[in-house]
Amino acid sequence: NAGVTQTPKFRVLKTGQSMTLLCAQDMNHEYMYWYRQDPGMGLRLIHYSVGEGTTAKGEVPDGYNVSRLKKQNFLLGLESAAPSQTSVYFCASRPDSSFNYGYTFGSGTRLTVV
Amino acid sequence: LAKTTQPISMDSYEGQEVNITCSHNNIATNDYITWYQQFPSQGPRFIIQGYKTKVTNEVASLFIPADRKSSTLSLPRVSLSDTAVYYCLVGPYSGYSTLTFGKGTMLLVSP
Repeated sequence: NAGVTQTPKFRVLKTGQSMTLLCAQDMNHEYMYWYRQDPGMGLRLIHYSVGEGTTAKGEVPDGYNVSRLKKQNFLLGLESAAPSQTSVYFCASRPDSSFNYGYTFGSGTRLTVV
Repeated sequence: LAKTTQPISMDSYEGQEVNITCSHNNIATNDYITWYQQFPSQGPRFIIQGYKTKVTNEVASLFIPADRKSSTLSLPRVSLSDTAVYYCLVGPYSGYSTLTFGKGTMLLVSP
């Protein structure tokens, strides 16, 4: 049982390049999330999904797109990377809304945009 | 979720007891108090939750006074491996799509 797996773990991008971060969970969770974490800023929600085929904006969605074509996968895309998107990205999943705090987090992706 | 206030950072030494207080003056009747722990280079993990009085598990204790306007996470005899960010969240047990984690308290344990 792997839990939440994020790919890749590290990446360096040049400004303007695009990339996709993959999050996969094997727990049959309905809800999935993408957060970013910057020094001194805590965790900020980018986008989330409450089920296959659904997505919604979080606190800081600009510059990112997401897709949830399969229940187990939640993809985060950067179409044109900017230095301000240098951050650590965490994916998380949760069974549903029956328990608000049942999050399982991945180990993070450290992204540097130069 | 209810607004919470917790210290930005705390320092301690190995073997000491650490108490992290979270203020939540606007807590609602059906709100629970939940703490998460985030080790360096890892995502947060749930460590303890309570509604009133005291809750204890293998990781920590949570003390909640009768008025529930604050709570204290207690870590007994900390070790270097307890260095982490601790997040206090206050809200209902169920029914929400998302959580706001805030900035948490950075606990640094030194030898």
